[in-house]
Formats: sequence, C-alpha cells, structure tokens
Amino acid sequence: GENVEQHPSTLSVQEGDSAVIKCTYSDSASNYFPWYKQELGKGPQLIIDIRSNVGEKKDQRIAVTLNKTAKHFSLHITETQPEDSAVYFCAAFTGTASKLTFGTGTRLQVTL
Amino acid sequence: DTGVSQNPRHKITKRGQNVTFRCDPISEHNRLYWYRQTLGQGPEFLTYFQNEAQLEKSRLLSDRFSAERPKGSFSTLEIQRTEQGDSAMYLCASSPDRVEQYFGPGTRLTVT
Repeated sequence: GENVEQHPSTLSVQEGDSAVIKCTYSDSASNYFPWYKQELGKGPQLIIDIRSNVGEKKDQRIAVTLNKTAKHFSLHITETQPEDSAVYFCAAFTGTASKLTFGTGTRLQVTL
Repeated sequence: DTGVSQNPRHKITKRGQNVTFRCDPISEHNRLYWYRQTLGQGPEFLTYFQNEAQLEKSRLLSDRFSAERPKGSFSTLEIQRTEQGDSAMYLCASSPDRVEQYFGPGTRLTVT
C-alpha cells in the first residue's frame, strides 16, 4: 500500500521568513496530493492541493510543488505569520484504495 | 468551519462500554469517510461510504467497530466493548468527488 513520509517533524521560523515542508510517497498510482492544517483540538483543514497533471499551484502565501518522477511534493509558506503556527499534514490519494494516506505531520512554530 | 459536524465532541467511557458517534456531512456530498487519529500521528483511514453503500473497510476496523450510513445522509460509527487502545480522535470527512475531503471537528474518545 501507499506510504507517505514527511519532514521535518518540527520547524521553527521567525515571522516573515519562509517555511518548507517536504513529503515523499511510494505508490506511483497516487494522483492527488492535499495539504491540511490542524490546530489544537480541531479537525484537519484543507489548505491547498495538487493533482498529478500539475507541477505547481499557488494560493496567496502558500504554494505546493509536485515532482512525479521523484515521487515527492512540498509545501511552501512565504511571509509566515504567528497564525500559521499549527501542525501540517501532507497526504496522497490512491484511486485503487479510495483513501488518503497521511504523513506524520510537521509542527510549525512561527515566532515573533 | 467546513460544514461537517460531529457529535459528541468529547466522550469519556469505561472499558467494556459501547459508544456511538455521529457525523453529518455537507448535504450535497454523497461520499463520506471515517478516520482515526492518535496523538502525534496523521489520520488513518477506517471506512468509506458512497451514498448508503460501505465500499471500503480498513483492516484497522475490527469486528468491534461498525459503521452505517442509512439513507445516504448522516453516518454513525459504533464501537462495542471499548478498549483503552480505542482512545483516539475519530474524524469524519465529506467529499463531493471521492478525492477532495473536508473534515469535521472530530470526536475525542477517552476509554478509562
């Protein structure tokens, strides 16, 4: 089955700096890659996603890149703000299994 | 707020008791997922419904777990004879197309 690895597990940046989180996946059949933000005590919130026929997608301060050949994808947050502090999860969707497989999460701390 | 609601938000029960959780998805979404999330981990897939049909079940879903989605609207997840290892956050996700998934706030279960 699909396996998703996520790095780093924790990331601390100063306000205004950029943050990058990287994920790799194992199943070449995976074709959809969402990123979720989870705040304490809440459910995961979908913040951006990318499908396998696209290499990059941007939405204001966040962007995602996908390298299908290398089977990795990354989340980029620019001009970080304290409200960006949360746990971020990457995931991969495999159509044959009809489910999302999640990474282990990255705790992002944005300091003033 | 994604429009997915879950009740109760918190449940404390004694080992051996039965518990039932409810999920109300976004009304126009005909696909519904259940995931389980333990501390420090990403969500893990449990089961998937398209309308009222349960199409996928994880091996994590032992015979003590049962899920239903009568009439293809809300869904319930029941755990019989709870064990301490069942303590986790149970998340429901609603999907318009099987791929994009929007999570509810979750039900946190504590088994004492």
